[in-house]
Amino acid sequence: DVKVTQSSRYLVKRTGEKVFLECVQDMDHENMFWYRQDPGLGLRLIYFSYDVKMKEKGDIPEGYSVSREKKERFSLILESASTNQTSMYLCASSLSWQGGHYGYTFGSGTRLTVV
Amino acid sequence: QKEVEQNSGPLSVPEGAIASLNCTYSDRGSQSFFWYRQYSGKSPELIMSIYSNGDKEDGRFTAQLNKASQYVSLLIRDSQPSDSATYLCAVMDRDDKIIFGKGTRLHILP
Repeated sequence: DVKVTQSSRYLVKRTGEKVFLECVQDMDHENMFWYRQDPGLGLRLIYFSYDVKMKEKGDIPEGYSVSREKKERFSLILESASTNQTSMYLCASSLSWQGGHYGYTFGSGTRLTVV
Repeated sequence: QKEVEQNSGPLSVPEGAIASLNCTYSDRGSQSFFWYRQYSGKSPELIMSIYSNGDKEDGRFTAQLNKASQYVSLLIRDSQPSDSATYLCAVMDRDDKIIFGKGTRLHILP
């Protein structure tokens, strides 16, 4: 089974801190994604990557950056954490083919609280 | 703005009955369609994928796709209390991005 591992299940950080969320997948998937999920707003795409060193902005990239130095690892960085970034953060990976997609495998999520 | 629409529910279904979950999408060029199940406090889990018109069955689950009507559905036969969860419809658009609906909460009544 594909495994997507997020480094922390729960995190509490202070306003203004730089926060790193790590995600590692073990099945050689080329695509990796970061979402946040909030009640009533659903899943919102922050950033995604289709290859090493490559990154694309999603729907809500402001206040975030990402790094993908190795194929298996995709990091989300909150440059200066704010209370409105309190959320559940979900990492996902996937395989795709020409004109199709196998669907995402999600990590277990990181519930981040910014105080 | 590409959209995936679901009724938020809750949808209450007696144990043993068929639960029917529906989803519509706006991008006519969409090619891949998915259903995810999400238990409270957990991450989404892929349960069905469908790529061509018609029905696809996997155990108690059947996914149905009608591209002409831009409609996807999920049927759960012999509903069990363990099926109580939020079900997310997801659609891959022509730009290879997956768009999620906000989910339908399903409650199976014992």
